[in-house]
Amino acid sequence: NAGVTQTPKFRVLKTGQSMTLLCAQDMNHEYMYWYRQDPGMGLRLIHYSVGEGTTAKGEVPDGYNVSRLKKQNFLLGLESAAPSQTSVYFCASNLRADTQYFGPGTRLTVL
Amino acid sequence: GEDVEQSLFLSVREGDSSVINCTYTDSSSTYLYWYKQEPGAGLQLLTYIFSNMDMKQDQRLTVLLNKKDKHLSLRIADTQTGDSAIYFCAESFSGNTGKLIFGQGTTLQVKP
Repeated sequence: NAGVTQTPKFRVLKTGQSMTLLCAQDMNHEYMYWYRQDPGMGLRLIHYSVGEGTTAKGEVPDGYNVSRLKKQNFLLGLESAAPSQTSVYFCASNLRADTQYFGPGTRLTVL
Repeated sequence: GEDVEQSLFLSVREGDSSVINCTYTDSSSTYLYWYKQEPGAGLQLLTYIFSNMDMKQDQRLTVLLNKKDKHLSLRIADTQTGDSAIYFCAESFSGNTGKLIFGQGTTLQVKP
């Protein structure tokens, strides 16, 4: 099992550019989550999914969109990147509403 | 609302015990967690406790939960330099979303 993987690991964007972050898990987990981590603020939930084809907003959803077309993948999109979206992005998954397993993170810089 | 607070920094000497504290506001949590994050890495689950328990011990780790005061602590016995990291507490809630609310993280510095 690879667990939870994230692609890419690093990315630099210019303001206004778009990109998609990919999260993949091979544990047959139902639940998947996208968080962002900023210094001194812990992790904040952006969007989450409780199953294939479903998504829901978390704490800080503005400026992001997500899709869960396949159970194993959860995509996070930035349509028009802004400097405020400079952050480290973590994906997580779990089988039920309990222990979450995290990916290694994607470090995004928006200039 | 849901809020989790932690002190930001703790420094201890190698071999001492470390105690990292966390307070939370929402008493409807089902599980409370401790995660460890080493520099440049993701979050690693250390341990968790169900909300109807008072204590859980796992090798060098002891978790204490005081529901009345909404206070969670993580004690690391015989702290080693490899324990230097950021420690996050988090809580989850009943329902079917599984979402976690995290504290800001406590940076543990272990001096040799």
